Parts: sequence; structure tokens; C-alpha cells
Amino acid sequence: AQSVTQPDIHITVSEGASLELRCNYSYGATPYLFWYVQSPGQGLQLLLKYFSGDTLVQGIKGFEAEFKRSQSSFNLRKPSVHWSDAAEYFCAVGATGSSNTGKLIFGQGTTLQVKP
Amino acid sequence: DSGVTQTPKHLITATGQRVTLRCSPRSGDLSVYWYQQSLDQGLQFLIQYYNGEERAKGNILERFSAQQFPDLHSELNLSSLELGDSALYFCASSPQGNRGTEAFFGQGTRLTVV
Repeated sequence: AQSVTQPDIHITVSEGASLELRCNYSYGATPYLFWYVQSPGQGLQLLLKYFSGDTLVQGIKGFEAEFKRSQSSFNLRKPSVHWSDAAEYFCAVGATGSSNTGKLIFGQGTTLQVKP
Repeated sequence: DSGVTQTPKHLITATGQRVTLRCSPRSGDLSVYWYQQSLDQGLQFLIQYYNGEERAKGNILERFSAQQFPDLHSELNLSSLELGDSALYFCASSPQGNRGTEAFFGQGTRLTVV
């Protein structure tokens, strides 16, 4: 079965420091990959997605992610974190199977805390 | 604002009761998804509808049911509620219901069962 692993449950970084959130997926072929962010009391907002092509994808709010097939990873990065980036981040993979569904399989999430 | 509207935002009810959560998708979106977010299970897919028809089913309990109406809004019905059903329930919508389609999430309905 497909799965997504986010090894870090909680990460704390200082404002202005760089950020990398890890995501590993299990799936044989090229997956559809997503990063979502959830701010307190809010729904999930799509940061970026990867379907094919250039393995480095740019998203909103200055985020980027790199797809590495050899490592089954899709890590999220930001060069300089702002206090407003404090939130929970979810990596997700588009499900496969007999039905063509837009179902997403989510990782457990990483909570980002930003120190002033 | 994603354009997906969920009502109510909060719901407190007693065990054994039945509740209905409502979702209005973005204008033009044909597919609706329901997800449950809880501390122990994380974000779990429940069910997907596309243009009124069920497209995919996840780990949805038999006590739960959903439907999508001709105007494309959707309702999630939860019955015989248990304490463990307390969670944040998200609705999402997408233009099509295919694999890889971007889903837009509502702000969720927080259900507390007491």
C-alpha cells in the first residue's frame, strides 16, 4: 500500500534561518506529490505539487521542493523562514489503484515552530 | 479563502446522536472529498464523489454516509456517534476527480462528541 512518511514530527528554526522538511513516499512509479500547509484554525493550502518534468518545483510563499526518485523523497525547503511560516506542513501523494481518483494519502505532518 | 464552504464550523453533540456536515464546493468543481483529521490517525481520506456519483471510498465507517446532490454540494452524515469520532472533518473540491488533480480544502468542521 502507498504511504507517506514525514520523519520529523516537530521542528524549531530561528527566523531567517533555512528550512528543510523531509518527506518520503512509497510507490513504484512516478508519483503525484504535494505539499500542503495548515495554519491554526485554517484549512489546508497547497504550497506546491510535482507531477513530472523538472524535479525542482517552485511554490507559493517562497517554498520549493525537490523530487529525488532514487531516494523516494520530496523534501520541502525555504531559504529564509519568516515567523508567519509557523504552521503544520503535510506531504501527500496521489493515490493509485483501479479507479482514477483524486484521493490523497497524507503523511503525519510536521509542526514548524519559528523562534524570533 | 479557498472557495470551499463548510458548515457548521463547530459542533458539539452527545454520544449516540446523529449529525450532518455540509460542504459547498468551489464554483465549477465537480468532485468533492471528505477527510477526517484526528490526533491519533492524522488526515484520513473518507470518500470522494464526482458529479453526484461515488468515485472512491476510504476508511469510512458504516455509521458514516455521504452524498453529493445535483447542485454539487455534499453532506456527510455521522450517526451513532462515539467519543472517538471527535475530529476535524475537512471537505475538499477539485474541478475533476482524477489522480493528480489539485484539491482545495475548506476550513473544516470541528466535531466534539461528549
